[in-house]
Amino acid sequence: QSVLTQPPSVSAAPGQKVTISCSGSSSNIGSNYVCWYQYVPGTAPKLLIYENNQRFSGIPDRFSGSKSGTSATLVISGLQTGDEADYYCGTWDDSLSAGLFGGGTKLTVL
Amino acid sequence: EVQLVESGGGLVRPGGSLRLTCAASGFTFRNYGMNWVRQAPGKGLEWIAYTTESGARIYHAGSVKGRFTISRDNARNALFLQMNTLTAEDTAVYYCAREGEGSGRILDFWGQGILVTVSS
Repeated sequence: QSVLTQPPSVSAAPGQKVTISCSGSSSNIGSNYVCWYQYVPGTAPKLLIYENNQRFSGIPDRFSGSKSGTSATLVISGLQTGDEADYYCGTWDDSLSAGLFGGGTKLTVL
Repeated sequence: EVQLVESGGGLVRPGGSLRLTCAASGFTFRNYGMNWVRQAPGKGLEWIAYTTESGARIYHAGSVKGRFTISRDNARNALFLQMNTLTAEDTAVYYCAREGEGSGRILDFWGQGILVTVSS
């Protein structure tokens, strides 16, 4: 069971929008920046969002992030079939002195 | 172009040891913190360890503390993960990842990963 909680799966049709949540606590999301990663198993994970809401180089503005209190959200709009992947939130935990990833959310574009 | 290439993986028996290496190029290695992350079969990403730019401070996940050690050689542009007392639960693809510039744990570039299989 991950310290950061994400929904196991989300789905939507091409062109639609999905929201992926990441819930933590005061020692992690509540006091640290959040990143979001896109991962296709067997390939290198890709950084999408850093510092809660900053898009990494080359990431289209269809991807956006936000944070409020001890939760963070990734929004993907204008869904494309190429967006099918697993998405992970990540941050640092001050109490554990350790990095954390959420459990991952599998995105299916129907 | 930033490149991270992992090596040293393979099949090892339970209780055995393995040393992973991550060869870095395309950036000034000594200026960046580095991480190891793994993904076990059917499971999610798991952060394993982090080292600061100089190697003066290192951090490990609770699941590997006391068994795994992260280190680096800035003269050789190399990151290491010494893994001891391996168990089947350590079977995973291991990735090295660079700590990006900015605030927080930003893993901006990743290697392609190396498979470690622990089995008798």
